[in-house]
Amino acid sequence: GQQVMQIPQYQHVQEGEDFTTYCNSSTTLSNIQWYKQRPGGHPVFLIQLVKSGEVKKQKRLTFQFGEAKKNSSLHITATQTTDVGTYFCAVPNTGNQFYFGTGTSLTVIP
Amino acid sequence: DTAVSQTPKYLVTQMGNDKSIKCEQNLGHDTMYWYKQDSKKFLKIMFSYNNKELIINETVPNRFSPKSPDKAHLNLHINSLELGDSAVYFCASSQAEYEQYFGPGTRLTVT
Repeated sequence: GQQVMQIPQYQHVQEGEDFTTYCNSSTTLSNIQWYKQRPGGHPVFLIQLVKSGEVKKQKRLTFQFGEAKKNSSLHITATQTTDVGTYFCAVPNTGNQFYFGTGTSLTVIP
Repeated sequence: DTAVSQTPKYLVTQMGNDKSIKCEQNLGHDTMYWYKQDSKKFLKIMFSYNNKELIINETVPNRFSPKSPDKAHLNLHINSLELGDSAVYFCASSQAEYEQYFGPGTRLTVT
C-alpha cells in the first residue's frame, strides 16, 4: 500500500528561526496536499500541489513539489508562535481517499 | 454555519457497548470520510463514501460501519467497543479529490 514518510517527527525552534518539514512517497504522486492541525483542533487545508517542480508561497510558507513528484516540502520563514501545530502532508489513493503522512509537530519557543 | 459538524464532541463509554457518531456537511460535497487519530497524532483514513462507492480501508475492523442516510450525512457506528478504539474520530468532506474540510472531531474514550 501507499507509504508516506514525513520528517522530522518533532521540531522545536526559537521564534524567528526557519522550519522545514519533508514528505517522501514510495510512488509517483498525481498531487499532494498539506494540512495544519493546531493543538486540540482539526486539520485545516493549506495547499494542493499538482505540477512537477511546483513552488507555491503563502506569506511566510513556501511549498514545493519535487521534480519526480515523489517528495514535497513545507518551509516556514521566521516562525511565529501562531505557527505552532502539527503539519501533515496527504497523498491520494483510490476513490478520492488520501493517506496522511506521520506529521511534524512544531513547537515555537518565544 | 459550520461547514462540517460532528456530534457528540466527547463520548465516554464502556467496553462492549455500541455507539454512533453523527456527521453532517452543508458544503454540497460529493465525498465524505472518516478518520481515526490516535494518541500519537497519526491520522488514518477509515472510510470514504460518495453517492456511488464505499471504500473501506483494509485495516478497519468490521465492528465499524458507516451509514449514509443522504449525501450530506455520514454516520459512524461502532459495535462492541474495545479499549483500543479510544481515539479522536474526524469526519471530513471534499469535492472529488480536492481540499478536505474536517469536522471538529469526536473524542471517544472507552473504559
